[in-house]
Amino acid sequence: DAGVIQSPRHEVTEMGQEVTLRCKPISGHDYLFWYRQTMMRGLELLIYFNNNVPIDDSGMPEDRFSAKMPNASFSTLKIQPSEPRDSAVYFCASSLQGLNTEAFFGQGTRLTVV
Amino acid sequence: QKEVEQNSGPLSVPEGAIASLNCTYSDRGSQSFFWYRQYSGKSPELIMFIYSNGDKEDGRFTAQLNKASQYVSLLIRDSQPSDSATYLCAVNKRNNDMRFGAGTRLTVKP
Repeated sequence: DAGVIQSPRHEVTEMGQEVTLRCKPISGHDYLFWYRQTMMRGLELLIYFNNNVPIDDSGMPEDRFSAKMPNASFSTLKIQPSEPRDSAVYFCASSLQGLNTEAFFGQGTRLTVV
Repeated sequence: QKEVEQNSGPLSVPEGAIASLNCTYSDRGSQSFFWYRQYSGKSPELIMFIYSNGDKEDGRFTAQLNKASQYVSLLIRDSQPSDSATYLCAVNKRNNDMRFGAGTRLTVKP
């Protein structure tokens, strides 16, 4: 398996533009997580899905952020409109069901909003 | 109070020494605990996990868990320069709800 695949790897956009980040989890994994990492706040959980259903989106910063998982092999995180403070590395991770299963991370998308 | 707290460091140890990394968590119902390593510009990767009180050893790494004190630690014996990275403590609260600490930056000096 190729692991968790994220695209794009880097994104530079202007303030006010819409940004869409994409993720393909590992086949067969039940859980998908979106994290945001900054120097100031560390690795924050934004939202996670179980079997394509959002379970907890309390980490989503505000209504400008939305996430979808239309099927088991694809998820998107959208920011509309983007702001400079959204600049961060966004990680997608997936895991199997179970308390002792690790989360496997994608390579991340480095987002810069200018 | 943050859900998972770590000393941000940086922690600097000489090569061959023991590095000790600490983590506390707030949710008493947390079930399992993970240590991830993240090299600069890379994604986190799992080092080991622990879910029972006590020690768990894997090579040069030992994880320690004390649920009564809500405390997890990672010891790295015979530290090597290649161990220089940020170490993230993660807590599986329940239902695969995985929360991370901000990480501790470790530097091992030759």
